[in-house]
Amino acid sequence: GEDVEQSLFLSVREGDSSVINCTYTDSSSTYLYWYKQEPGAGLQLLTYIFSNMDMKQDQRLTVLLNKKDKHLSLRIADTQTGDSAIYFCAENSPNYKLSFGAGTTVTVRA
Amino acid sequence: DGGITQSPKYLFRKEGQNVTLSCEQNLNHDAMYWYRQDPGQGLRLIYYSQIVNDFQKGDIAEGYSVSREKKESFPLTVTSAQKNPTAFYLCASSSPNSGNTIYFGEGSWLTVV
Repeated sequence: GEDVEQSLFLSVREGDSSVINCTYTDSSSTYLYWYKQEPGAGLQLLTYIFSNMDMKQDQRLTVLLNKKDKHLSLRIADTQTGDSAIYFCAENSPNYKLSFGAGTTVTVRA
Repeated sequence: DGGITQSPKYLFRKEGQNVTLSCEQNLNHDAMYWYRQDPGQGLRLIYYSQIVNDFQKGDIAEGYSVSREKKESFPLTVTSAQKNPTAFYLCASSSPNSGNTIYFGEGSWLTVV
């Protein structure tokens, strides 16, 4: 089984907020990441959070970390059509590898 | 511009042939990685290298080989031993100087025909 789990699909109306959830297993992870992948492209780093933080905000993006429950979420405010993509949650390992979730496909509808 | 360049973007291979995917980075990163992505799945680590002339197997190394003769280059060879090589391949790199955050190239599509 995967160490990082995410729901596979999310549909959201344009202008609403999107919330993508992720659970991870490695309590020693120092960083947790959110990547965005548009069709046929590589992964773009969206944001990351250090494990001693509870929240990080960057423009329309808000990351919440519940370390006790090993739960990470990404909130996208005022979701736009350009936000349609696959979003990957990832945790780092001590030897600098990353473990990825399967990705959440976000579809923004008008 | 600094970044990670993968080539070719699209590659077709006949069964039984080896093929090499190129990955070059000018970010001065020490570590480099190869991931494989299949539709509807997350990324799986094939090989990684933390320093020149050294590399380790990832979770799905069978049927693949790599070399790290130069810091900026980490080519991946998909051999004929790889049973299901059709996939999207992503190269990445990282450095302690950038918080060990992993940055990705644009990917290479390999199709076996």
